[in-house]
Amino acid sequence: NAGVTQTPKFQVLKTGQSMTLQCAQDMNHNSMYWYRQDPGMGLRLIYYSASEGTTDKGEVPNGYNVSRLNKREFSLRLESAAPSQTSVYFCASSAILSGGGADTQYFGPGTRLTVL
Amino acid sequence: SQKIEQNSEALNIQEGKTATLTCNYTNYSPAYLQWYRQDPGRGPVFLLLIRENEKEKRKERLKVTFDTTLKQSLFHVTASQPADSATYLCALGSLSGNTPLVFGKGTRLSVIA
Repeated sequence: NAGVTQTPKFQVLKTGQSMTLQCAQDMNHNSMYWYRQDPGMGLRLIYYSASEGTTDKGEVPNGYNVSRLNKREFSLRLESAAPSQTSVYFCASSAILSGGGADTQYFGPGTRLTVL
Repeated sequence: SQKIEQNSEALNIQEGKTATLTCNYTNYSPAYLQWYRQDPGRGPVFLLLIRENEKEKRKERLKVTFDTTLKQSLFHVTASQPADSATYLCALGSLSGNTPLVFGKGTRLSVIA
């Protein structure tokens, strides 16, 4: 039981390059999330997927796209990377609480992205 | 707009003392609140969940309170140890639809031996 896995762990891009961050969970969770974390800014939600086949924008979606490939996998794509996207990216998944709402979130180890 | 404030960016405390971290919120009526621990270079890890109808929750040396009148949660670490040094995040949750959690910026706790 690996929990939430993310690849790659580290990445350096040049401005304008594209890349996809991969995330997978093996806990049969319905909901998955992508966050970015910057010093002094806390965790900011980029996109989330409440269930397979749905995606919604979070607080900071500009410059990103997502794909919920199946129940296990949720990828984040940067089409044209910018230095402002230098950050640590976390994927998370959760079940739904009885009565609604997000249950405990399980986080991956993070991807450290630098855009030069 | 919704706002969550964790009392300070950093809190230093002597080993053995009780650390108290604060999470205040405005323009929000959460149905529950969660606390997470984050160590450097790692993702957050869930610690406790408290619902709006619960006043207090405990787990080992951790205690969380939730006051919906004051719009505040307190997170206590009793008999603190250097191993408790980490960043602690609070997160507010709603039962409406599939609304995601809203996270605070966190408080970095340092327990000094």
